[in-house]
Amino acid sequence: EIVLTQSPATLSLSPGERATLSCRASQSVSSYLAWYQQKPGQAPRLLIYDASNRATGIPARFSGSGSGTDFTLTISSLEPEDFAVYYCQQRSNWLITFGGGTKVEIK
Amino acid sequence: EVQLVQSGAEVKKPGESLKISCKGSGYSFTSYWIGWVRQMPGKGLEWMGIIYPGDSDTRYSPSFQGQVTISADKSISTAYLQWSSLKASDTAMYYCARQRDGYIQDYWGQGTLVTVSS
Repeated sequence: EIVLTQSPATLSLSPGERATLSCRASQSVSSYLAWYQQKPGQAPRLLIYDASNRATGIPARFSGSGSGTDFTLTISSLEPEDFAVYYCQQRSNWLITFGGGTKVEIK
Repeated sequence: EVQLVQSGAEVKKPGESLKISCKGSGYSFTSYWIGWVRQMPGKGLEWMGIIYPGDSDTRYSPSFQGQVTISADKSISTAYLQWSSLKASDTAMYYCARQRDGYIQDYWGQGTLVTVSS
């Protein structure tokens, strides 16, 4: 089973700042990496798939990069509604795993 | 509009059985996998398994194999997650999600909170 490690666990930033979230896989996942956002009391929402493709309706301030084992989610300028928990997710054959999450909180 | 609507919150006792549901609409239910995801209180997301309603092909995460059963009734566009004997450790929010291209969960249900307590 491929393990995804997200860092940092918590990111304390102010609105308008740039957020950089990391996701590292225990072995190569090619580009089969997605990012999700979850706000308190809500279901997760798909942000990025195939490492760098924005899902429908996702603002351009969200971008993803990477391949193989190292991936990054960047939020170019944090809006108030972006403070949430972010999860990366991968597939290896049909087995899917999630990372432990990064909480982006208001500083 | 694609929608996944889950059944309501449940409160059960240890040892009881339970079946929760996820009804899809706004798309061809038999053409996409449906996945289930667990979120224990204050914790992260755990992928449990998937079903393809078109032919009921089902796959489980090794962590959940034998612990739950995933099924679907394509005639009513509904997927299910069931337990034969609940434990307190099954207390969690459970989400269903439409899954495409092997892993992309693009639409999610609102979640079903399952509480198991004596």
